[in-house]
Amino acid sequence: EVHLVESGGGLVQPGGSLRLSCEASGFIFSDHYMNWVRQAPGKGPEWVGRIRNRANSYTTTYAASVNGRFTISRDDSKNSLFLQMNSLTTEDTAVYYCARMGNGHLQYHFDHWGQGTLLTVAS
Amino acid sequence: QSALTQPASVSGSPGQSITISCTGTTRDVGGYDYVSWYRQDPGKAPKLMIYDVGQRPSGVSDRFFGSKSANTASLTISGLQAEDESDYYCCSYAGGATWVFGGGTKLTVL
Repeated sequence: EVHLVESGGGLVQPGGSLRLSCEASGFIFSDHYMNWVRQAPGKGPEWVGRIRNRANSYTTTYAASVNGRFTISRDDSKNSLFLQMNSLTTEDTAVYYCARMGNGHLQYHFDHWGQGTLLTVAS
Repeated sequence: QSALTQPASVSGSPGQSITISCTGTTRDVGGYDYVSWYRQDPGKAPKLMIYDVGQRPSGVSDRFFGSKSANTASLTISGLQAEDESDYYCCSYAGGATWVFGGGTKLTVL
């Protein structure tokens, strides 16, 4: 069974930094593209960014709202995904989900999600 | 990238059918057949219900039907059941390896 477990959320002051982690199990992590998706309180989800697999050079893309401030990385040896967040603002307050991108016909979709970790940016 | 437009709420009685719309642009919904739908229960992670406009993942009831016309995608739930009550979100590929979600629709089963 696929499991994705996020960690690292918490309270950060504006301008601060934080690193989120996502530990994966139950599937061949290195095969899949992985994403971060966030959801502000009472809002719909917002795609944050994606990292491809080793076969595709671990290339990344980001939403315009976080480009230049957030960096996605992964460690396939530890089945882990990371999100480094810098220059945080109150607009970044949200639950952050780790989401797997499927293979084959599911390659453009998020077929499994973690339970999320809450980031609150406030002074 | 602007969020896709969904009605804030829809409702229906058990046994009825409801449809949730999801309107985008030619740069997302209208430009690709990579629309998906997710349901999200309170405090839970989203769950994939429909992908590639109208395909159902294994385990999803055939009461869930997805379609698309021009820049608008739709999710139809037939034979409404109490357990269908949830928040539903659409999502579309938007080109350049980016994605956009809808604002969400709260489905109430009367």
